[in-house]
Amino acid sequence: ELKVEQNPLFLSMQEGKNYTIYCNYSTTSDRLYWYRQDPGKSLESLFVLLSNGAVKQEGRLMASLDTKARLSTLHITAAVHDLSATYFCADLGYGNTGKLIFGQGTTLQVKP
Amino acid sequence: GAVVSQHPSRVICKSGTSVKIECRSLDFQATTMFWYRQFPKQSLMLMATSNEGSKATYEQGVEKDKFLINHASLTLSTLTVTSAHPEDSSFYICSATYSSYEQYFGPGTRLTVT
Repeated sequence: ELKVEQNPLFLSMQEGKNYTIYCNYSTTSDRLYWYRQDPGKSLESLFVLLSNGAVKQEGRLMASLDTKARLSTLHITAAVHDLSATYFCADLGYGNTGKLIFGQGTTLQVKP
Repeated sequence: GAVVSQHPSRVICKSGTSVKIECRSLDFQATTMFWYRQFPKQSLMLMATSNEGSKATYEQGVEKDKFLINHASLTLSTLTVTSAHPEDSSFYICSATYSSYEQYFGPGTRLTVT
């Protein structure tokens, strides 16, 4: 069974702190996606990681991909309240179907 | 670029009626569109994959006679929930792609069946 597992599922942190969300996947895909979802809204694309060792940064968020370990991380630096949301990683799975396999989501709550 | 719209954004219907949701790619031609369902505090669940001009491919456990998908053109796919019941109440999200590289997500449709 194809799986994508995120850890932790819920994260409450203080503003200014750093933390990492982990995403383990079971396929040999070299593509991994990160999305943000605000309550009541659809998905917003954050990062597309296309190869082993890929690292991308946008503001206080940095994502990386290790295809050998089948692990992606989303690192939050000096969190601010505006980052409060649910974050999903998704793996492209096998073959060329284009189907995404989503993780369970990590709900981040940043407290002032 | 790569904008996807959905209509309606919110719909309330009575049990037993049918509801149609439209998904449009506004500035590109989508070779494939995907339909997802999301229940509160859960992840997205893929319902079906839709290719223009061909029958949709449904995921295991999704009733194809209940969730009718039509992909009549490269910019439009529709999902019709037939004989809707309260358990069909959910957030329905479509996505569209012109390659296997990235999917572009619509804003979602909140369906409430009373």
